Amino acid sequence: QVQLRESGPGLVKPSETLSLACSVSGGSVSTYFWSWIRQSPGKGLEWIGYIYSSGGTKYNPSLKSRATISIDTSKNQFSLRLTSVTAADTAVYYCARHEGRGCSSTSCYDWFDSWGQGTLLTVSS
Amino acid sequence: QSVLTQPPSVSGAPGQRVTISCTGSSSNIGAGYDVHWYQQLPGTAPKFLIYDNNNRPSGVPDRFSGSKSGTSASLAITGLQAEDEADYYCQSYDSTLTVVVFGGGTKLTVL
Repeated sequence: QVQLRESGPGLVKPSETLSLACSVSGGSVSTYFWSWIRQSPGKGLEWIGYIYSSGGTKYNPSLKSRATISIDTSKNQFSLRLTSVTAADTAVYYCARHEGRGCSSTSCYDWFDSWGQGTLLTVSS
Repeated sequence: QSVLTQPPSVSGAPGQRVTISCTGSSSNIGAGYDVHWYQQLPGTAPKFLIYDNNNRPSGVPDRFSGSKSGTSASLAITGLQAEDEADYYCQSYDSTLTVVVFGGGTKLTVL
């Protein structure tokens, strides 16, 4: 049974860069696609982006190129970096594993079968 | 404003049947992309509930079922139980926006 666990600073100042990590146990990041998804307080879910073990990535254009997802197979984890944060980036951030027929640059047939417990990130001075 | 539209809330008495709709368009559900469903209990992460429109992963009770037709999908819950009180989200892919999309979520209240 794969388990995911997010870790991060909890609080970031406006205009700074947030960095979150997702540690994977019970499975390898060298297979599957992996995503970051966030949920603003009292709101719905927003997909941020995904990474494949080869390092290929795709991001939600709404983030205007502020997001970068990377993978570290030696640590069996993947990470999210989000630059120039504002209060609008305050949310619970989840990491999740994909399952399904896979994704490409123009389509994605996957669902998210395993999720981390989430980490709350607050942007405030 | 979510690309996939769900009713904000639905309710039902224990034992009853409820359905939650997920309405999309010709660039997502209507384009042939499958719909997946998640259950989010209060204060917890979403839990995978239905995949590829109407398939249940192991461990999900057969009280939960999904369907898809045209540009819409639905989640049905029969024999409502108090433990079903949660938020439910649909998910698909949009080929115009080229992003994974979620519905806005539906809060199910068991009366």
